[in-house]
Formats: sequence, structure tokens, C-alpha cells
Amino acid sequence: AQTVTQSQPEMSVQEAETVTLSCTYDTSESDYYLFWYKQPPSRQMILVIRQEAYKQQNATENRFSVNFQKAAKSFSLKISDSQLGDAAMYFCAYPDRDDKIIFGKGTRLHILP
Amino acid sequence: KAGVTQTPRYLIKTRGQQVTLSCSPISGHRSVSWYQQTPGQGLQFLFEYFSETQRNKGNFPGRFSGRQFSNSRSEMNVSTLELGDSALYLCASSLGPANEKLFFGSGTQLSVL
Repeated sequence: AQTVTQSQPEMSVQEAETVTLSCTYDTSESDYYLFWYKQPPSRQMILVIRQEAYKQQNATENRFSVNFQKAAKSFSLKISDSQLGDAAMYFCAYPDRDDKIIFGKGTRLHILP
Repeated sequence: KAGVTQTPRYLIKTRGQQVTLSCSPISGHRSVSWYQQTPGQGLQFLFEYFSETQRNKGNFPGRFSGRQFSNSRSEMNVSTLELGDSALYLCASSLGPANEKLFFGSGTQLSVL
């Protein structure tokens, strides 16, 4: 079965510091998308960043960037200059061969003032 | 543009009852997906509708069903409710198939007593 693994259930980072959330996945596809979604206490999931597997260049969105290693099937999210508003659950996700989006179990990120 | 709207926000039912949840996607979006979120299982895919047709279905019993109307609004129904159906039900819409960027609603919190 295709899976997404987030090995860190919880993490904490000092405000203004940098934190990396890890994600590994398992797929036999060669071309696919990978996503990081954020779920704040309001419960509404928001897309943070998207990576296309055929692109070697890592995606970047302002303070958010990814380290995509296709051969290792690894897709980590780096948050620079962490802010209090970054506190949330973060989910790694990708579409399986049937285009169903599979989510990891999530990493709860705490920002320490 | 209005976001994805889910109604109701909260719902309390008793075992054996049935429930219908509603989701209005972003205007112009033709794909609607449903997810069940629980602390133990995380986010699990229920089904996806695209242009009124069920395009994908997750591993849930037949008590879970859905439909999509011509205006892309979607409903999901759960019959013969069980205690284990207590969860946050999230709806997401996208322009095309659900392997693109998903826009989520704030969810319906269902409690089964």
C-alpha cells in the first residue's frame, strides 16, 4: 500500500529559529505531486507548498521551502524565521496511483516565544 | 471569492440515526473530496466527486455515501451511525481532479452518542 510517514508527532521551535519537518513516502509512480498542508486550531487546512516530482529544483514559498530527494522518497519542510502564527498541525500528502490524496499522520508544531 | 463552506459546523447524533453533511465548493471548482479526520486514524479519504460522478472511493463501509449536484455542491450521508463515526469531516474542492491544489472547508464535527 502507498503510504506517507511523518516520524515526528510533535516538535517545538523557538520563535525566529528554523525548523525542519520530515516526511517519507512510498510510491512506484515516476511523476507526481507532493504537498505540505497546515491545519491551525481553526481546523481549516491550508496548502503551504507543492512540489512536482519531475522538477529537480526544490519549491520555495517565502519562509517555507522543501528538501525533495526523489530517490530517497523524502520530502521535508523547512520553516525559516518561525513565527507564532506557524503553530499548527502540518501534514505531508501526495496522490496515490488512483489520484486519491494520501495524508501522513501529521506533526504538531509548537512555537516558543 | 467565497471559500469552501461546510454546514453544519457541529452535529450531535445518537447511534442508529443517519446524518447528512453539506459542502459548497469554491465557485468554478468541479471536484469535491471528503475526508474523515480522527485522532487515531488521522485523515482518511472517503470519496471524490467530479462533475457529478464519483471518481474515487476510499475504504469505508457502504453506510457512507455521497453525491454531487449540477452546481457542484456535494452532500455526504452516513446511515446507521456508530460511535466510531465520531470525527471531523472535511470537504475540499479543486478546479480539476483532486491531485491538484485542494481548498478545504472548516469541517463538520460529528459526535455520535
